Amino acid sequence: DTGVSQDPRHKITKRGQNVTFRCDPISEHNRLYWYRQTLGQGPEFLTYFQNEAQLEKSRLLSDRFSAERPKGSFSTLEIQRTEQGDSAMYLCASSLSQGGEKLFFGSGTQLSVL
Amino acid sequence: DQQVKQNSPSLSVQEGRISILNCDYTNSMFDYFLWYKKYPAEGPTFLISISSIKDKNEDGRFTVFLNKSAKHLSLHIVPSQPGDSAVYFCAASGSYTDKLIFGTGTRLQVFP
Repeated sequence: DTGVSQDPRHKITKRGQNVTFRCDPISEHNRLYWYRQTLGQGPEFLTYFQNEAQLEKSRLLSDRFSAERPKGSFSTLEIQRTEQGDSAMYLCASSLSQGGEKLFFGSGTQLSVL
Repeated sequence: DQQVKQNSPSLSVQEGRISILNCDYTNSMFDYFLWYKKYPAEGPTFLISISSIKDKNEDGRFTVFLNKSAKHLSLHIVPSQPGDSAVYFCAASGSYTDKLIFGTGTRLQVFP
């Protein structure tokens, strides 16, 4: 299967701890996106990369959040000093940089901060 | 500022009938619209899209209609099947942005 892969699927942590999520995009896709989804809401954009360059960050992405995509392949999203409000589904998506952004999503990482 | 709105949080339809899901947008710069379907514990999967130069796009049982003057689009599913039961998200993008803006979703339930 060459779809978007996310790890872990679920993460439970205590408030104040750091967490890191990983995303492996579809291999030929040069764009990689991170979204966050909370209950009753649609996916909200966090940030995206074209190859290894982080081109845009949402205002939702506080300084406790950092994302990387070394070598333009997989990406990591780290949340430092987690808060209960960080509890959400974190979705990764990838695409080819062409007109019409059809994104292919992974299954997400469900984060619960206790 | 919710640029993409799905005002119906849920819809219930009998199997075999038509399902119509609606979406409104406020940004006239959007020029590409997509529908995604999401099952519980899975990521959204692409269903169908339409460019702003068209007013209709059809793919099997799924048809998307775009009314630019009203800033409104709709997804028609006919005939509806129980396997269509999921949350449907409308999304939009424009040439000025490289990201998709999603609506809040409509939960469709198709009952026998």
